[in-house]
Amino acid sequence: GENVEQHPSTLSVQEGDSAVIKCTYSDSASNYFPWYKQELGKRPQLIIDIRSNVGEKKDQRIAVTLNKTAKHFSLHITETQPEDSAVYFCAASPYTGKLIFGQGTTLQVKP
Amino acid sequence: EPEVTQTPSHQVTQMGQEVILRCVPISNHLYFYWYRQILGQKVEFLVSFYNNEISEKSEIFDDQFSVERPDGSNFTLKIRSTKLEDSAMYFCASRQHRTEYTTDTQYFGPGTRLTVL
Repeated sequence: GENVEQHPSTLSVQEGDSAVIKCTYSDSASNYFPWYKQELGKRPQLIIDIRSNVGEKKDQRIAVTLNKTAKHFSLHITETQPEDSAVYFCAASPYTGKLIFGQGTTLQVKP
Repeated sequence: EPEVTQTPSHQVTQMGQEVILRCVPISNHLYFYWYRQILGQKVEFLVSFYNNEISEKSEIFDDQFSVERPDGSNFTLKIRSTKLEDSAMYFCASRQHRTEYTTDTQYFGPGTRLTVL
């Protein structure tokens, strides 16, 4: 069935370091891959997304890479700041539009 | 910037009771979704809705669940006879029609925390 695996489940970095979160999806029909940031008790907020016809996308300190052959996609955050601390979810979406989420990564950025 | 809104923010109910969760999607959006998140777990897809009908539903979305768009603005999720395991945060989301010029972005509401006692 459709599944998205996300690693690691927790990630602790020093302020200024980089953080990388990786996801693998199972449904080859998936063509849209968003990343959401969720702070405690809040709604998921989109931080970056990528379509399957693009291999990489960057927005300031955040970048996403996609390897369609391997069904892998990754989130890269550079120069991390304490306010980056949150739970990050990857998701994959087939043409039907629903989002299949990964299990989440709790990122802690230590000042 | 327009946002998806949801009411109530918190709903407490007794097991076996019916609840209706309400959502107002962004006005020019055509696709609507319900997701749930059990505390500390991932967000799970429940159902998608387009053109006044369900387009897809998950295994979670059994006969106890129903969705409706009773007017031009509201989108509701009804749980007929709540169970303890229905306790979760329920998120509504909406997105535009997908074209070459629009994104696939789903915008989430703030959620309704449902507690079943």
